[in-house]
Amino acid sequence: QQQVKQSPQSLIVQKGGISIINCAYENTAFDYFPWYQQFPGKGPALLIAIRPDVSEKKEGRFTISFNKSAKQFSLHIMDSQPGDSATYFCAAANSGGSNYKLTFGKGTLLTVNP
Amino acid sequence: DADVTQTPRNRITKTGKRIMLECSQTKGHDRMYWYRQDPGLGLRLIYYSFDVKDINKGEISDGYSVSRQAQAKFSLSLESAIPNQTALYFCATSDLGGRGLGELFFGEGSRLTVL
Repeated sequence: QQQVKQSPQSLIVQKGGISIINCAYENTAFDYFPWYQQFPGKGPALLIAIRPDVSEKKEGRFTISFNKSAKQFSLHIMDSQPGDSATYFCAAANSGGSNYKLTFGKGTLLTVNP
Repeated sequence: DADVTQTPRNRITKTGKRIMLECSQTKGHDRMYWYRQDPGLGLRLIYYSFDVKDINKGEISDGYSVSRQAQAKFSLSLESAIPNQTALYFCATSDLGGRGLGELFFGEGSRLTVL
C-alpha cells in the first residue's frame, strides 16, 4: 500500500516558469510533510517542510501548499531556474509516534530548460 | 569531510556473494537509516535504528541485515546478493531537533550492481 502518492513522475519547465509537484497521503496520523531535493550523484537534502496547522509555507521561490481536508500537499517553484533541475521527493511522517520515520513518494524528475 | 560517509561508493559483485555497505556519521545523531533508491520507486526504507540497542525492520527488509556497531556506525549486509538488489543505497541520520523536526541527513550513496 503506497501511503504517499506523488505526481507527475517527470516534469519539464521553461526557465522562469512555475513548477508544480503534487502529493497525496492516506494516513490521517501524518502531521509532518517535508520535501527533499536530490541532485545527480548526491543524496537527498531537506528543501522545505510544513506542519498541518498552516495551509502554506514559503521559503524564497519555494512554496508548500497544504490541504488537510483533501489530504494533499504540493510544491510550487516560482521563476524556475536550470539550477533547480533535480529529483524532488515529498514525504510524510507521524511526528508524535515513538516509531517516527518518513514515508517518501516515488519522486519527480524536474528539468528546467534554459 | 562529509557528515555522513558511505563506503564503498560503487561496488560490482556476483550473485550469491556477501556484501557489506558501511555508514559512519559525525553528526552525533542517535537515529540512523538505510534506504534503497530505484528508478520510479523512490526511496524505500530497509532498516532503521534509533539507538545502539534498537534495530527495526523497514518496508523492504527481506534479504538484508544490519549491525549498529556504535552510535556513529551502521552497516547494511546482503548475505547472498541477487540481481534484483541492484540499486542505489543511502544511509541517513536524524535527530528529533533541527529545522525540520527530524530532518534526515543523507550520505552520497553506494551504488551496488549484482551480476
